[in-house]
Amino acid sequence: SQTIHQWPATLVQPVGSPLSLECTVEGTSNPNLYWYRQAAGRGLQLLFYSVGIGQISSEVPQNLSASRPQDRQFILSSKKLLLSDSGFYLCAWSGTGGARFGYTFGSGTRLTVV
Amino acid sequence: DAKTTQPNSMESNEEEPVHLPCNHSTISGTDYIHWYRQLPSQGPEYVIHGLTSNVNNRMASLAIAEDRKSSTLILHRATLRDAAVYYCIHIQWTNQGGKLIFGQGTELSVKP
Repeated sequence: SQTIHQWPATLVQPVGSPLSLECTVEGTSNPNLYWYRQAAGRGLQLLFYSVGIGQISSEVPQNLSASRPQDRQFILSSKKLLLSDSGFYLCAWSGTGGARFGYTFGSGTRLTVV
Repeated sequence: DAKTTQPNSMESNEEEPVHLPCNHSTISGTDYIHWYRQLPSQGPEYVIHGLTSNVNNRMASLAIAEDRKSSTLILHRATLRDAAVYYCIHIQWTNQGGKLIFGQGTELSVKP
């Protein structure tokens, strides 16, 4: 069966420090991968998505970047964190069948920038 | 991006059916309707999805209007564990997967 792993679960980082969040998927090949952020309250904002190794599409300009070095690995990074980067970060994957199938989300990383 | 409209909040009693409405008047012919729910401090969980016909699974039923401009998620017997924010989304099917664009969702509370 397919599983998605996301870590760490919680993270407290000072302003100006770098960030690296990792997401991996098991049990499937060539997944579509997504990074979302959820600020306080509702509203998940799509940040990046990837349909293949090295292919990244950015939805919102910001000081974050994403990379996909391997088929089932998706990394969210920042060189210098801002206070506004605090939030709940979620990774998700979907099959290559697109919207015909459901999307699966990881358990999320709660990032607090202090 | 595709936009859906849902009530901000709804209440239900335990063991009673719940009908969560969603309007998606801008939906196109190839857009799928997806429903997800999110419990506090957890990632969204897939509930159900459909294209034109009504759909049933072990979690819920999805009733899609004939003109596809609205749909209703039906929880047949609400439990306390069903208390969550429910998101209705319509996304275009493409070979590249489409993008889930979340709205504000409906916060469902379930009273014992």
